Amino acid sequence: GEEVAQTPKHLVRGEGQKAKLYCAPIKGHSYVFWYQQVLKNEFKFLISFQNENVFDETGMPKERFSAKCLPNSPCSLEIQATKLEDSAVYFCASSQSSRGNSPLHFGNGTRLTVT
Amino acid sequence: GQQVMQIPQYQHVQEGEDFTTYCNSSTTLSNIQWYKQRPGGHPVFLIQLVKSGEVKKQKRLTFQFGEAKKNSSLHITATQTTDVGTYFCAGSNYGGSQGNLIFGKGTKLSVKP
Repeated sequence: GEEVAQTPKHLVRGEGQKAKLYCAPIKGHSYVFWYQQVLKNEFKFLISFQNENVFDETGMPKERFSAKCLPNSPCSLEIQATKLEDSAVYFCASSQSSRGNSPLHFGNGTRLTVT
Repeated sequence: GQQVMQIPQYQHVQEGEDFTTYCNSSTTLSNIQWYKQRPGGHPVFLIQLVKSGEVKKQKRLTFQFGEAKKNSSLHITATQTTDVGTYFCAGSNYGGSQGNLIFGKGTKLSVKP
């Protein structure tokens, strides 16, 4: 498609529950990025993929966060045992390049609320 | 690690006044991008600057990239209520360990009609 599609739009989880977010990148874009935006607007880079391969995962809290991009499936970001501090909007973006020289096309985000 | 600082954090202007947001990097950048995020929305790409000293214009918006490629600015002339939102710069350093974009913390612009 011509837009990055993220689902669900909103997700509410009790502390300790699992949360799974999905992202379908723009067709033809090889790179997918996940960002976390907290209330103060700051974007925290989590992970990037080149097709189904992890490209950069330096931002991922590895203990509870995992992500995948499998062929013919939406990419996913999973948080095991959510904590209150995980409450944020999670944005997925896709681009034609991973090297920061082509625009990122963002999805509408998934707002995760952990109660 | 590489950091991109953006100021001011907030700017309140009267409609018709000008607005400027500034970005500074701790390291030399390969390029810088600017995004706008409307309240409740997602970031939308505005422009990319690549060359030292580059200046680009989009209607009332003027973007500059510093000679040393470590700073950038976005200037809006005669703001309108439609300019409301948060403006983010994002810098990239191809030689760094993280090839992706490093976002500034954004400048939130409010415009009073």
